[in-house]
Amino acid sequence: SSELTQDPAVSVALGQTVRITCQGDSLRSYYASWYQQKPGQAPVLVIYGKNNRPSGIPDRFSGSSSGNTASLTITGAQAEDEADYYCNSRDSSANHLVFGGGTKLTVL
Amino acid sequence: QVQLQQWGAGLLKPSETLSLTCAVYGGSFSGYYWSWIRQPPGKGLEWIGEINHSGSTNYNPSLKSRVTISVDTSKKQFSLKLSSVTAADTAVYYCARGIAAADVYYYYYMDVWGKGTTVTVSS
Repeated sequence: SSELTQDPAVSVALGQTVRITCQGDSLRSYYASWYQQKPGQAPVLVIYGKNNRPSGIPDRFSGSSSGNTASLTITGAQAEDEADYYCNSRDSSANHLVFGGGTKLTVL
Repeated sequence: QVQLQQWGAGLLKPSETLSLTCAVYGGSFSGYYWSWIRQPPGKGLEWIGEINHSGSTNYNPSLKSRVTISVDTSKKQFSLKLSSVTAADTAVYYCARGIAAADVYYYYYMDVWGKGTTVTVSS
């Protein structure tokens, strides 16, 4: 399968912890990468590989993987974390990239 | 700091060919994958295709018949052509730099993105 499945929407209270998940067969062989996108802006890489953060990404963002599911966890969500989040990986053929449908995160 | 600057026509008529170019500033061109991604209004990200510095390409199967991605390493630029456009091709188009690596698993990520070009297809 070449699909990655995400919940369309998730909400979290300010300061609490939220997990955003991504499911797909390719995730048994590939780590997902995660992107944050705010309205009108280009996506920004927040997590890649097993659990790596690019420079400038707060350490409240972390990643994990188990079986066919990758997770992005935000520990102590802030108002500025409200955004759309997309997962991405190679598909099982390794020749194509796939994105999840995206999760809209609301911080209450 | 690597930056991607993209440009191209923003308004097309149905059946025309979309043409966008992305230039790489401040970094190496070789050793990376160079991708095009699009996002229709109000929808998610869709990968269009990629090219590496030697010109090897991969395309989204759903767009493969209409897509050509090419590279000009001397200028550190890569380009997208999408033929026979329709209203369904209306989207923001992004270019991005991709990196492939591995430890226990393989992984791939896009660490630098262009600002995006809005392309509208309308008669």
